[in-house]
Amino acid sequence: EVQLVESGGGLVQPGGSLRLHCEVSGFIFSDYWMSWVRQTPGKGLEWVANIRQDGGEIYYVDSVKGRFTISRDNAKNSVYLQMNHLRAEDTAVYFCARKVGDMWGQGTMVTVSS
Amino acid sequence: QSVLTQPPSVSAAPGQKVTISCSGRTSNLGINPVSWYQHVPGTAPKLLIYENSERPSGIPDRFSGSKSGTSATLGITGLQTGDEADYYCGSWDSSLSVYVFGTGTEVTVL
Repeated sequence: EVQLVESGGGLVQPGGSLRLHCEVSGFIFSDYWMSWVRQTPGKGLEWVANIRQDGGEIYYVDSVKGRFTISRDNAKNSVYLQMNHLRAEDTAVYFCARKVGDMWGQGTMVTVSS
Repeated sequence: QSVLTQPPSVSAAPGQKVTISCSGRTSNLGINPVSWYQHVPGTAPKLLIYENSERPSGIPDRFSGSKSGTSATLGITGLQTGDEADYYCGSWDSSLSVYVFGTGTEVTVL
């Protein structure tokens, strides 16, 4: 059974940092691009970043460039999202997804507030 | 700001059909395939359609997709109360080098 399990969300003050972790099982992790997608309260889905199988190609949405870093560890079947200089508008449920969404995790909530 | 435009909402009675449009640009729908996702808030989104019209295993044939030029359409026939959700189209934008989701459409079963 394919599973993607996110962790690392929480409440953080503006300007702070969080590191999200997504651990997967049930498929050969190193065969797939991986993505992070978020849904802000009351709004739609927004793709945040993705990373190639070997980590050698990475893309970000403009609003997080320079602040967020996606990475992966194929030995640990894990993908990460390091989020720095967080802003109120980053408040969202963050989903880990295989490719750009053929399989999804349940999401982890990130709240940026003072 | 999303570059894929969808109607905010559609509705129909149980058993009826709805269609959801997705309008984009040459740089996304014009040259890349579209996917469709179903999302019930508070749960994980689900892939309904990929490569414009392909259904993953387990997705009933009540769901169908098509694409022509810079527009795409999701059709849902035999509407059920369990189909109430938000639906999103998505595609890679080769000009922006980002994946773009549509603005989302809320489906209501009357």
